[in-house]
Amino acid sequence: EAQVTQNPRYLITVTGKKLTVTCSQNMNHEYMSWYRQDPGLGLRQIYYSMNVEVTDKGDVPEGYKVSRKEKRNFPLILESPSPNQTSLYFCASSLRGSTEAFFGQGTRLTVV
Amino acid sequence: AQTVTQSQPEMSVQEAETVTLSCTYDTSESDYYLFWYKQPPSRQMILVIRQEAYKQQNATENRFSVNFQKAAKSFSLKISDSQLGDAAMYFCAYRSAWAGGTSYGKLTFGQGTILTVHP
Repeated sequence: EAQVTQNPRYLITVTGKKLTVTCSQNMNHEYMSWYRQDPGLGLRQIYYSMNVEVTDKGDVPEGYKVSRKEKRNFPLILESPSPNQTSLYFCASSLRGSTEAFFGQGTRLTVV
Repeated sequence: AQTVTQSQPEMSVQEAETVTLSCTYDTSESDYYLFWYKQPPSRQMILVIRQEAYKQQNATENRFSVNFQKAAKSFSLKISDSQLGDAAMYFCAYRSAWAGGTSYGKLTFGQGTILTVHP
C-alpha cells in the first residue's frame, strides 16, 4: 500500500531534550516536506527536500533540522525543543510532475 | 509570496442541506493549482477536490463542487446533501504550477474552517 508513515503519533517531551520524528514513504517520491499545524494558522511549511541530499528552509524553519540521506526517509530533528514547538506535525511527499501530495498520519508533539 | 485566507473559522449545516465554504488567495502567478482538504478528527489529510487554474470549468467530485473565480482570486467549496461524515476541518490550499521554482511542491494553506453537521 502506498503510504507515508510518521512516528511517533504522539510525543510528550521536556524542554531541551533532543528528539526526532521519523517520516518514510514507499512511493519513490522525490519531493518531501514537513508542516506544522497550529490553531488559526493552518499548516505551515517547515522544511522541504527536492531529492536526496537536497533540502531547504520553508516558512518556519527556526528550531528544526532535517536530513535526506535516502530517498524514502526525511526525519525532522528538534535539537532543543521549546514549548512554542508544541504542535501537530505532518510529513508529506509527492512525485515530481504530479499535483497529488500524500500525507502522513500526523504527530502530536507536546513540549513541557 | 502566496497567501490563502479562509475567513470563516466555523460553519454549521443541517444534514441534507447545502453549505459553502469560502477561500480567497493572493498570487502573482498565472498558473497554479487549488485544493480543498478535509481533516476529520482522525487528523488524516484527505484531498477533497482539485482545480487547475488554466481550466475555466469548475471541478466537481460527487457532492463536492467548487466555484473558481480566477479574476477575483476566489475558490469556494460547495457541499451538497451534507452528511454527518462531512463534519471536519476543511483547508483550502494553493500550489504553484511552475516546476522550476524553489516553491515547487509547496502547499500554502488557509487557516481552516471547522464544519459541523447537525442531524
